[in-house]
Amino acid sequence: KAGVTQTPRYLIKTRGQQVTLSCSPISGHRSVSWYQQTPGQGLQFLFEYFSETQRNKGNFPGRFSGRQFSNSRSEMNVSTLELGDSALYLCASSWTGGDQPQHFGDGTRLSIL
Amino acid sequence: QKEVEQNSGPLSVPEGAIASLNCTYSDRGSQSFFWYRQYSGKSPELIMSIYSNGDKEDGRFTAQLNKASQYVSLLIRDSQPSDSATYLCAVKPGSGAGSYQLTFGKGTKLSVIP
Repeated sequence: KAGVTQTPRYLIKTRGQQVTLSCSPISGHRSVSWYQQTPGQGLQFLFEYFSETQRNKGNFPGRFSGRQFSNSRSEMNVSTLELGDSALYLCASSWTGGDQPQHFGDGTRLSIL
Repeated sequence: QKEVEQNSGPLSVPEGAIASLNCTYSDRGSQSFFWYRQYSGKSPELIMSIYSNGDKEDGRFTAQLNKASQYVSLLIRDSQPSDSATYLCAVKPGSGAGSYQLTFGKGTKLSVIP
């Protein structure tokens, strides 16, 4: 069974640009969550989607947005990139987002120059 | 603000010893608890999930939960050098705002010395 697939694996952008990251969940999983991981802050929750609806959003500025498609694939977008947005962005999926554990993809490492 | 606290370490144990990793959480309504292992440069990998008070064993790993004390721990028996990694504690509330998100501790770095 294929795991969570994130693309691209690496991205280099400059300040002010925007970026779109993609996540395909494990087959059958309908809940997709996004996290930002940095050495100083650890893993921080960005948002969670289920059936194309955002159910939870973390404390990030509006520059961070996401969406989910009918096949449960999800994208997140970051506009007007800042140096501080350099991080590992992780996507995780679960069946319904309830008590089940989340399974992570390999992440997208975003570097802002 | 819901918080999950872990000692950052590093925690160094000799090969073959028991490694004990601890985690406390602030939200008394939390219902689901998870331990993840993260190797350097890799993504988190699920090790254990626990939902009820008491112990849960899976191979060399034992998770322990005490909801009254708001405390969850992970024991690794017969520690191996391949267990050297950062261990992340994650907590999910049972209901209400934020019930679909995991809150992570910052992780404990474990080093198993051959």
